[in-house]
Amino acid sequence: GAVVSQHPSRVICKSGTSVKIECRSLDFQATTMFWYRQFPKQSLMLMATSNEGSKATYEQGVEKDKFLINHASLTLSTLTVTSAHPEDSSFYICSARDRFGTGSGENNEQFFGPGTRLTVL
Amino acid sequence: ILNVEQSPQSLHVQEGDSTNFTCSFPSSNFYALHWYRWETAKSPEALFVMTLNGDEKKKGRISATLNTKEGYSYLYIKGSQPEDSATYLCAFPNYGGSQGNLIFGKGTKLSVKP
Repeated sequence: GAVVSQHPSRVICKSGTSVKIECRSLDFQATTMFWYRQFPKQSLMLMATSNEGSKATYEQGVEKDKFLINHASLTLSTLTVTSAHPEDSSFYICSARDRFGTGSGENNEQFFGPGTRLTVL
Repeated sequence: ILNVEQSPQSLHVQEGDSTNFTCSFPSSNFYALHWYRWETAKSPEALFVMTLNGDEKKKGRISATLNTKEGYSYLYIKGSQPEDSATYLCAFPNYGGSQGNLIFGKGTKLSVKP
């Protein structure tokens, strides 16, 4: 149980194009999903918190108009990198908290997708 | 700003060796400490969620200890096997910021040679 899928796993695109990344909780409902980003030799850093049915919350320094997040259902959140540029090349990974699981308590258990490697040429 | 430090950054051991690595975290306002195992091209897999000072948890050959007063946790692997090769992440819930996201260390990359 507690599987999170993420697609695509890898994408290479030209500068100026938009890329959509999907994060799905396959066997549980997630009211909250998190989007992280990892640059080489760095730790996973939170970009934004995605809440089902409401606007996402963005971390300082993350442009909300550039990184569009939609959490339209309890099992799907999407991150769209609009007008991608080479500096957006990174590893993007989502996590989800089980609506009815221990993640709703202080343990904050989260389940991760396998990530998406984005390369912008 | 909460900071989670892991050491060493990487580790190379021979099959059969036992090994351990460290996670340091803020000792004030402790909630929980998470350990994940992350193999290449796969999802990070939760190993342990540790909450109590002095806690020791075990999963097969892997175990972890927790000292919340001094702010560190050790992960031990007994008799390392090639399949233990992965990056081991520790993470600390951030309740001061967003809705419970995790703050991660950079990880310890373990390579076990047959």
